[in-house]
Amino acid sequence: DTAVSQTPKYLVTQMGNDKSIKCEQNLGHDTMYWYKQDSKKFLKIMFSYNNKELIINETVPNRFSPKSPDKAHLNLHINSLELGDSAVYFCASSPGTGAFEQYFGPGTRLTVT
Amino acid sequence: KNEVEQSPQNLTAQEGEFITINCSYSVGISALHWLQQHPGGGIVSLFMLSSGKKKHGRLIATINIQEKHSSLHITASHPRDSAVYICAAPFGNEKLTFGTGTRLTIIP
Repeated sequence: DTAVSQTPKYLVTQMGNDKSIKCEQNLGHDTMYWYKQDSKKFLKIMFSYNNKELIINETVPNRFSPKSPDKAHLNLHINSLELGDSAVYFCASSPGTGAFEQYFGPGTRLTVT
Repeated sequence: KNEVEQSPQNLTAQEGEFITINCSYSVGISALHWLQQHPGGGIVSLFMLSSGKKKHGRLIATINIQEKHSSLHITASHPRDSAVYICAAPFGNEKLTFGTGTRLTIIP
């Protein structure tokens, strides 16, 4: 059984479009995260939710809007896609906001043309 | 400034060699994370440690809280250990800041 799943795995779209990436975890964790890995493979946190509440919101353009309908799901919606949004986006979850191990999804490779 | 530095950036070794990857961080933290990113792109958490040493199979992680330094060791390295190894430290509100990663290649 997949612990943290993301859909889609690959996403190719044109500039200006709006797209969503979905994430689900079946671990019963309270905290979920979105990370962005750029072309140089550097990982950076974007958002974190704990029990459906936003707790970390890094300096991310307003075009990115996370939504957590319940604590098992954290979706990422991106408006007006730009070339610079091309990256791999990873979802992760952990039992809580403290010092806990994080479990990563397989990643979604977004390519904006 | 909250920073995480890793060395080396790239490491190539022969199968069987003992491998050491180093990680330094700038301020006190609750625990340090070591992650492995496979060539296929998936990320796996290897260790989370707040003191001393942890061991999983051929992998050993150590941390020195006073010196703000951690090391990841691989004994009897194997080509399947080839991956990018990333350390990460939670600065403020447990927000992970990642090192730039160490690309390890083990040659048969």
